[in-house]
Amino acid sequence: AQRVTQPEKLLSVFKGAPVELKCNYSYSGSPELFWYVQYSRQRLQLLLRHISRESIKGFTADLNKGETSFHLKKPFAQEEDSAMYYCALKANAGGTSYGKLTFGQGTILTVHP
Amino acid sequence: DGGITQSPKYLFRKEGQNVTLSCEQNLNHDAMYWYRQDPGQGLRLIYYSQIVNDFQKGDIAEGYSVSREKKESFPLTVTSAQKNPTAFYLCASSMRGGTEAFFGQGTRLTVV
Repeated sequence: AQRVTQPEKLLSVFKGAPVELKCNYSYSGSPELFWYVQYSRQRLQLLLRHISRESIKGFTADLNKGETSFHLKKPFAQEEDSAMYYCALKANAGGTSYGKLTFGQGTILTVHP
Repeated sequence: DGGITQSPKYLFRKEGQNVTLSCEQNLNHDAMYWYRQDPGQGLRLIYYSQIVNDFQKGDIAEGYSVSREKKESFPLTVTSAQKNPTAFYLCASSMRGGTEAFFGQGTRLTVV
């Protein structure tokens, strides 16, 4: 079974401070990991994916297979980063759960001025 | 305007009644998903479908049913067997081997 855990329901930081949203996963195969974001009154949308190794809006996330983690980081938080963030895992081919997309519980990030 | 559309936005149901939530997409995506979003519990997968006429149970399928007769449509029925149906329901779609899921605006179901 696959599982995604986000240990922090709420995270508050001040503008300009570094921020790290934690994500741990369990999956027997080789997973695809994502971060999704939901801004106030907007749809849930993809922020970044591990296979792209990209930086979006200053956020980065590195897949650590040894620690089964995919933490989201930004060195200098901005007020517009305030949102709900979800970590997600997608099962790959080779199993009965192929294509299954599982989300964590979500972390509400608040960036104070 | 391409995208994924859920209707209605708000839905009220009496206890003991079945109700069907609509989800339509014109993105030509093979895969579609239904999630339930509750405060403090995040997104929980109800059902998902990788292809027409096929679907699999997610983590909380009890009390729900789906069909996938057309590629564009993946309706969710909340049956009277669902013990706590009041929630926010999200539908999503993606390409079958794709890496990005696109979400609808959601339907808020309230049992009165």
